[in-house]
Amino acid sequence: SQQGEEDPQALSIQEGENATMNCSYKTSINNLQWYRQNSGRGLVHLILIRSNEREKHSGRLRVTLDTSKKSSSLLITASRAADTASYFCATDEIRNAGNMLTFGGGTRLMVKP
Amino acid sequence: EPEVTQTPSHQVTQMGQEVILRCVPISNHLYFYWYRQILGQKVEFLVSFYNNEISEKSEIFDDQFSVERPDGSNFTLKIRSTKLEDSAMYFCASSMTSGVSSYNEQFFGPGTRLTVL
Repeated sequence: SQQGEEDPQALSIQEGENATMNCSYKTSINNLQWYRQNSGRGLVHLILIRSNEREKHSGRLRVTLDTSKKSSSLLITASRAADTASYFCATDEIRNAGNMLTFGGGTRLMVKP
Repeated sequence: EPEVTQTPSHQVTQMGQEVILRCVPISNHLYFYWYRQILGQKVEFLVSFYNNEISEKSEIFDDQFSVERPDGSNFTLKIRSTKLEDSAMYFCASSMTSGVSSYNEQFFGPGTRLTVL
């Protein structure tokens, strides 16, 4: 898979359920960031997890990072209809001189009321 | 809460015309970026800028593209002679630190939708 690939590509759940999205990458990273994008809109920064961190929480969001497997997961608990959006992981690779982020293709999450 | 702003929100231009996309990064940020997203595709890195110099650029960022920080607040992306394939959403982003410090949270603006006819 390519750097920063998410799965599943699409996820449909009922309001109140948890949503888990996964991201895999190939190279060594400084950090991994998760973003949300509502249709046709800008990217909203959700959370950054550093390469030496294993888990991070922010409100209803929980992110894990496993550098040995080069993978990360984003868990949204008690989902709401307003969580409907595309979610992207983006990696900041150690080799980068200019801090470029490499984005995955995203997971389209639909939360049904 | 401080945010990155971009103008215009939409830009329609004829092929071959020059366009300038404008961004105002978060005021205490030092690193600036441009990304683009062609409809239905991934967000792609174009260029990063620090200390009035390009730090890194992608293959997409060819001689038709240039960036400038003309004053203490604005950061611009110029496309000299637009092509049909330049049609995309262009995002500006900024961060306080570099990735080396591992606190390189990049905050994105709302984007400029560029349509080249």
